[in-house]
Amino acid sequence: QVQLVQSGAEVKEPGASVKVSCRASGYTFTSYGITWVRQAPGQGLEWMGWISAYNGYTNYAQRLQGRVTMTTDTSTSTAYMELRSLRSDDTAIYYCARGGDQSWCDPWGQGTLVTVSS
Amino acid sequence: EIVLTQSPATLSLSPGERATLSCRASQSVSSYLAWYQQKPGQAPRLLIYDASNRATGIPARFSGSGSGTDFTLTISSLEPEDFAVYYCQQRRNWPRTFGQGTKVEIK
Repeated sequence: QVQLVQSGAEVKEPGASVKVSCRASGYTFTSYGITWVRQAPGQGLEWMGWISAYNGYTNYAQRLQGRVTMTTDTSTSTAYMELRSLRSDDTAIYYCARGGDQSWCDPWGQGTLVTVSS
Repeated sequence: EIVLTQSPATLSLSPGERATLSCRASQSVSSYLAWYQQKPGQAPRLLIYDASNRATGIPARFSGSGSGTDFTLTISSLEPEDFAVYYCQQRRNWPRTFGQGTKVEIK
């Protein structure tokens, strides 16, 4: 079955960087892109960006431009999301999901809690 | 950026009742709209795609309708497991955007 498994929870200090991984299985990795979405505590879903697993093309949310980088490693069917210059309001659960360009986000990873605190 | 506005913010209903959730787009998204369900402590799950198609394994009590700027998610008869938060999302334009969510709670 199609499955996305994300890396574990992280605690970071303000100003640091975090890199979350998302390992895909059960489908041809390069046939779909990967979308990243985050959810601050008690809040709604915020679309962060999308990366093509075929050619690495990206599309980022304007408010995160310059701080976020999404990459893929096709040899391991893994997508990565790196967020730099972390602030307290970056504290959130970060989700990856298959699709987002010509297809919908389905399925989703289990989520990775990133806590930014001094 | 296309803004999706969901209403109401909270819907208080009893099991067996009908739930009607609304999602309005700031400009036409054609039929490029999906609905997701999120239960506490879980990742979102795709329910409805392309405005009116049920995703794999989704019960028939869930239905979606609409096109252009006005969309509706209907749950014909609420089951206990349907009490959750529901989000709409568009993929007509970049950036993709989500509505702020509608919480369906037990009355």
